[in-house]
Amino acid sequence: AQSVTQLDSQVPVFEEAPVELRCNYSSSVSVYLFWYVQYPNQGLQLLLKYLSGSTLVKGINGFEAEFNKSQTSFHLRKPSVHISDTAEYFCAVSDQAGTALIFGKGTTLSVSS
Amino acid sequence: GAVVSQHPSRVICKSGTSVKIECRSLDFQATTMFWYRQFPKKSLMLMATSNEGSKATYEQGVEKDKFLINHASLTLSTLTVTSAHPEDSSFYICSARSVGVLNSPLHFGNGTRLTVT
Repeated sequence: AQSVTQLDSQVPVFEEAPVELRCNYSSSVSVYLFWYVQYPNQGLQLLLKYLSGSTLVKGINGFEAEFNKSQTSFHLRKPSVHISDTAEYFCAVSDQAGTALIFGKGTTLSVSS
Repeated sequence: GAVVSQHPSRVICKSGTSVKIECRSLDFQATTMFWYRQFPKKSLMLMATSNEGSKATYEQGVEKDKFLINHASLTLSTLTVTSAHPEDSSFYICSARSVGVLNSPLHFGNGTRLTVT
């Protein structure tokens, strides 16, 4: 069975600081990995995804993530955050059959000035 | 890009009544749609997988008779919360994947905030 662990429930940072949101997964098969962002009372927006190929994946809004198979991790990074990046971030996994996503519990990123 | 429209965005209903939530894929066809439930400060919990033209597949612990899912066409799935109770109050989100698009990601609707009084 697949599962996702987001190690930090809340991450407070100052504007223009770098940030890393951690995600570890477990799966018995090959995986697809995703990061989604959710703003209050809204649905989810895809930030980036790893399907295959290069382990460094670049997404929207300046975010990137690195797939590390040996450490079963897919941490999300941004070198300089903005106030507008304040939101809930979810890491998710699915298998290659394209089934439903399994989500982590989310990390609340709070950016202050 | 692919758009999933969910309606209504907010609904308040009285205990004992039923509420229908619609999920439409606006510019693509989706043989499979997924329904999630999100509690405050919690992750998204998969409720069921909705397959066009067949019965939905429910996750363990989800009451089939309470959460009725109908996927009548390639662009529409509905979730009906029957005989709603205050504990059914939650944020419901649907998602869909394009048919025939290799490695297509899930596209999410904007969610429906259900409040049962």
